[in-house]
Amino acid sequence: DADVTQTPRNRITKTGKRIMLECSQTKGHDRMYWYRQDPGLGLRLIYYSFDVKDINKGEISDGYSVSRQAQAKFSLSLESAIPNQTALYFCATAWDRGTEAFFGQGTRLTVV
Amino acid sequence: AQKVTQAQTEISVVEKEDVTLDCVYETRDTTYYLFWYKQPPSGELVFLIRRNSFDEQNEISGRYSWNFQKSTSSFNFTITASQVVDSAVYFCALSDRDTGNQFYFGTGTSLTVIP
Repeated sequence: DADVTQTPRNRITKTGKRIMLECSQTKGHDRMYWYRQDPGLGLRLIYYSFDVKDINKGEISDGYSVSRQAQAKFSLSLESAIPNQTALYFCATAWDRGTEAFFGQGTRLTVV
Repeated sequence: AQKVTQAQTEISVVEKEDVTLDCVYETRDTTYYLFWYKQPPSGELVFLIRRNSFDEQNEISGRYSWNFQKSTSSFNFTITASQVVDSAVYFCALSDRDTGNQFYFGTGTSLTVIP
């Protein structure tokens, strides 16, 4: 089983719908991240959390919210999906400052 | 300002050629960390290497090598004798206190190795 698991792997949703992407990890890491990847733009940070009580906005948080339900779970919500939120979304974890990030398999989200 | 610049958007090489992927970073911190990741066509992100700012020693791992030069703020990645399996998008990333110890990624370099 993967150490960082994202569900769903693929999702098509309609404009205006609320959608939640889930991430769970078995690595025991405190730090968790949500990124989105768009062609030519690389990975951009949406939100990050350094522990259950610590949530921080990233570069592109508008239109998104997150919930850190437990050390192992970090969910990303799109309150009212719009087409330009069509992207590949990655969850990641890291053990400590300066250590490498481990990524989930990604969720391909299409908003029509 | 772009903290990590990968100026090469796409590179194509013929199998067995050597190829260098460039990464230039920007930070005011004296302590920072640099990373390379590989994203093959299957889409997952695979960690390749981590380097901290106090260790400028170059590293070699099989056909892969990395050249870290603080004087030019560069952390370049060379693949020797490239193979078709090296075809992927490669990302360079930076983590420092300026970014709240987040990971700041470059826009990636898409490498195609032609058989």
